[in-house]
Amino acid sequence: SQQGEEDPQALSIQEGENATMNCSYKTSINNLQWYRQNSGRGLVHLILIRSNEREKHSGRLRVTLDTSKKSSSLLITASRAADTASYFCATDEGYGGATNKLIFGTGTLLAVQP
Amino acid sequence: DAGVTQSPTHLIKTRGQQVTLRCSPKSGHDTVSWYQQALGQGPQFIFQYYEEEERQRGNFPDRFSGHQFPNYSSELNVNALLLGDSALYLCASSLTLQGALTEAFFGQGTRLTVV
Repeated sequence: SQQGEEDPQALSIQEGENATMNCSYKTSINNLQWYRQNSGRGLVHLILIRSNEREKHSGRLRVTLDTSKKSSSLLITASRAADTASYFCATDEGYGGATNKLIFGTGTLLAVQP
Repeated sequence: DAGVTQSPTHLIKTRGQQVTLRCSPKSGHDTVSWYQQALGQGPQFIFQYYEEEERQRGNFPDRFSGHQFPNYSSELNVNALLLGDSALYLCASSLTLQGALTEAFFGQGTRLTVV
């Protein structure tokens, strides 16, 4: 079963705009990760945020985590056509350390129009 | 430095047949996890191998089995294929350090179609 739900299911924006995707999950976690997937191929790791962190940045990506609400958001700033992909959040419930038994959300399909 | 490699890329099998998928982990990694991704869904964890043994397992029937070799490469076997087994099968590798795992790197996947 899927752990998380992502919102929205699909998002279409113009190049240069910001894109925000949200993820909700159900149980306590060790960390939460965001992945990108192009055209149903392999997953590319974007960013990992640990349960004791609240915000993390990597280039044009900003991730927040609210463990009290069991939710996370991914912000992509100044989007480009190459950002067009599906984005998934994944949680790791490992106690005492990551287990990489990742539980993925349902994904957000992002389309960036040139 | 090669990343995670999976073979074959695509595969078509008939219902009831058996299939074997292969994965070579990223250099330096010793732990391999397998995921099934149905069309339009997020990946679902099948199982994980470390030191040639299954360490964790998701909610998949016994028709799904695996193996890890001394060189850390891994195979996923599915017996008595069903139409519902049609999916993208993803392999992820990582390194186990003092009981915890490093970031997982994913391969490009094997697209299995059961007809």
